[in-house]
Amino acid sequence: SQQGEEDPQALSIQEGENATMNCSYKTSINNLQWYRQNSGRGLVHLILIRSNEREKHSGRLRVTLDTSKKSSSLLITASRAADTASYFCATGKGGSEKLVFGKGTKLTVNP
Amino acid sequence: DAGVIQSPRHEVTEMGQEVTLRCKPISGHDYLFWYRQTMMRGLELLIYFNNNVPIDDSGMPEDRFSAKMPNASFSTLKIQPSEPRDSAVYFCASSHTRGDTEAFFGQGTRLTVV
Repeated sequence: SQQGEEDPQALSIQEGENATMNCSYKTSINNLQWYRQNSGRGLVHLILIRSNEREKHSGRLRVTLDTSKKSSSLLITASRAADTASYFCATGKGGSEKLVFGKGTKLTVNP
Repeated sequence: DAGVIQSPRHEVTEMGQEVTLRCKPISGHDYLFWYRQTMMRGLELLIYFNNNVPIDDSGMPEDRFSAKMPNASFSTLKIQPSEPRDSAVYFCASSHTRGDTEAFFGQGTRLTVV
C-alpha cells in the first residue's frame, strides 16, 4: 500500500500562477522526495528534504515538511506550460532503502 | 552515463506467454528497484536488490513473477505465465546509497498482455 498520498489528484492552472501540491504519509520517515513524471516517461527526481529539515528551495520549487502533521507540500512558482506533468511524493523510511510512492498529482498548466 | 536503460520499451504478448523485461542500472549504483505502475494502484515497489542480492521481494504479486540480478550491470524481471492483469508500465530504478538519496528511473517498459 502507498505510504504517501498526494492531494489534489488533479490540478489545472494558468501559466504564471503558482501550483501547490500536498503529500500526507502515515509512518515515521527518514526523508521525503518529490519526483516528476512527464507523460510516457520515467520519473525524474526534483528535490529531497530530510526529516530534520522544515523547508527547502530549488529554483522555482519550494518544499516544506511538517513531521508533526506527517505532511509535505510542493510549491511551483510562476508555473509554465512545460511544468505540465504528474508529481509524486516518495518517502524513505528510517533504516530502510525502500522508496514508497503515492499516486501522484496530475498538474496541467494552460498557456 | 546513459542513465538506467530498460528494454524493450513496449511489449505486446498473448496471455500465457513468458515475458522478460531487462534493465541496466547506472554504473556504480548498488541498489536496483523494480516498480510497476498502473492507473488503479499507482507506483508499486515489486522488489529491490543491494549488491546484486534480493533484499525485499514482498511486493512481488505472485509466484508468476521472478527477478534476478546476475551481475552489477544487469537485471531481469520475468513473468511466466503472463495474464492480462499484468498489463502495466514496469520501471527499473537504481541508486548508489541507502534510501536517503535520489533514485534514477529508466524510461519504463509498457507491457500489454492480450
